[in-house]
Amino acid sequence: ETGVTQTPRHLVMGMTNKKSLKCEQHLGHNAMYWYKQSAKKPLELMFVYSLEERVENNSVPSRFSPECPNSSHLFLHLHTLQPEDSALYLCASSLGPRAQYFGPGTRLLVL
Amino acid sequence: GQSLEQPSEVTAVEGAIVQINCTYQTSGFYGLSWYQQHDGGAPTFLSYNALDGLEETGRFSSFLSRSDSYGYLLLQELQMKDSASYFCPTCSGNTGKLIFGQGTTLQVKP
Repeated sequence: ETGVTQTPRHLVMGMTNKKSLKCEQHLGHNAMYWYKQSAKKPLELMFVYSLEERVENNSVPSRFSPECPNSSHLFLHLHTLQPEDSALYLCASSLGPRAQYFGPGTRLLVL
Repeated sequence: GQSLEQPSEVTAVEGAIVQINCTYQTSGFYGLSWYQQHDGGAPTFLSYNALDGLEETGRFSSFLSRSDSYGYLLLQELQMKDSASYFCPTCSGNTGKLIFGQGTTLQVKP
């Protein structure tokens, strides 16, 4: 398998649930990113990991908790989310700042 | 502060040439990227300009003027499949942080 993969592709959860989003890259990249894309709003950067260290946290609420166990895997742990957190969550990876390669995204609905 | 300006919508006909402009204000500016996103799809990297000038990749070219904080994406020989949203995120700092704007929706008509 090549490129950036994300699972699950769709997720419906209640406000009291705990779930995790998974991202995997097979490109040999050393940086990974989480983005949030809501309707009618620009793509928002959430977290940046470079060489498995978090180097950017864009004022994201603590109900979103990222984890990067190695340079190929990135997780986003979700708990006690709000309906306004419903969005498309995109993972990306890169080797340097030139180009980021995005996964297909997880479409999340919080009820 | 940080800001990005792009036209919200552009319409052109198949076979034509279209230019999508982008002006920015970004602290710690490293470069300007262009991404394409089809409805329901993920953003796809098109080009990256770190230095002034024109970069050409097939039918697409991207230009940057750092002194004017301005860039554009030029799409030639438009095809129906080019109908999509186009974003010009700026790269800020050395952590690969991309700052996205609202994007430009391009509609290509037959």
